Amino acid sequence: AQSVTQPDIHITVSEGASLELRCNYSYGATPYLFWYVQSPGQGLQLLLKYFSGDTLVQGIKGFEAEFKRSQSSFNLRKPSVHWSDAAEYFCAVGASGGFKTIFGAGTRLFVKA
Amino acid sequence: GAGVSQTPSNKVTEKGKYVELRCDPISGHTALYWYRQSLGQGPEFLIYFQGTGAADDSGLPNDRFFAVRPEGSVSTLKIQRTERGDSAVYLCASGSSTTDTQYFGPGTRLTVL
Repeated sequence: AQSVTQPDIHITVSEGASLELRCNYSYGATPYLFWYVQSPGQGLQLLLKYFSGDTLVQGIKGFEAEFKRSQSSFNLRKPSVHWSDAAEYFCAVGASGGFKTIFGAGTRLFVKA
Repeated sequence: GAGVSQTPSNKVTEKGKYVELRCDPISGHTALYWYRQSLGQGPEFLIYFQGTGAADDSGLPNDRFFAVRPEGSVSTLKIQRTERGDSAVYLCASGSSTTDTQYFGPGTRLTVL
């Protein structure tokens, strides 16, 4: 069965520190992988996506993610966190051509001064 | 350009009542998705339209839930005999067939009393 696991329910980092959010997936075919961010009262915004090619993908707001097929992982990273990055982050897996996208339960990021 | 819009933004109803939630996708997007997000959870796939037809409705929880997209643009999610467990934020997303990217609306918060 298709699934996405985000092991960390919440993470707290200091402003300026590096960040890594974990994501593991289970998918029978070549996955399409996504990271979304959801700020309070805001809709889901796409940070980045991986379809094929280079396994290190760059996204908006200075985020990047690395696809590791052997580990079934797609972890999100940022070298220096800003207070405005505090939000809920969702990893998702889907198929080519649309169809259903499976989301993880999310990781809430807190940023302390 | 205009993004995905959803109306109403909030809907409070009583148990057993019928509700309709509307989604206006980005103009020209052929794909349309409905998700449900319960508190503290990631979005849960409900149904996916390609044009006017439902390409995948495997996420609809039971026959009280129904969605239509008669002209391939606006979609309506219909819930009959609402139950308290239906309370959630209902998200709509649309996408282009060429990008595999979904653009989310702000959601409708449904509260069933």
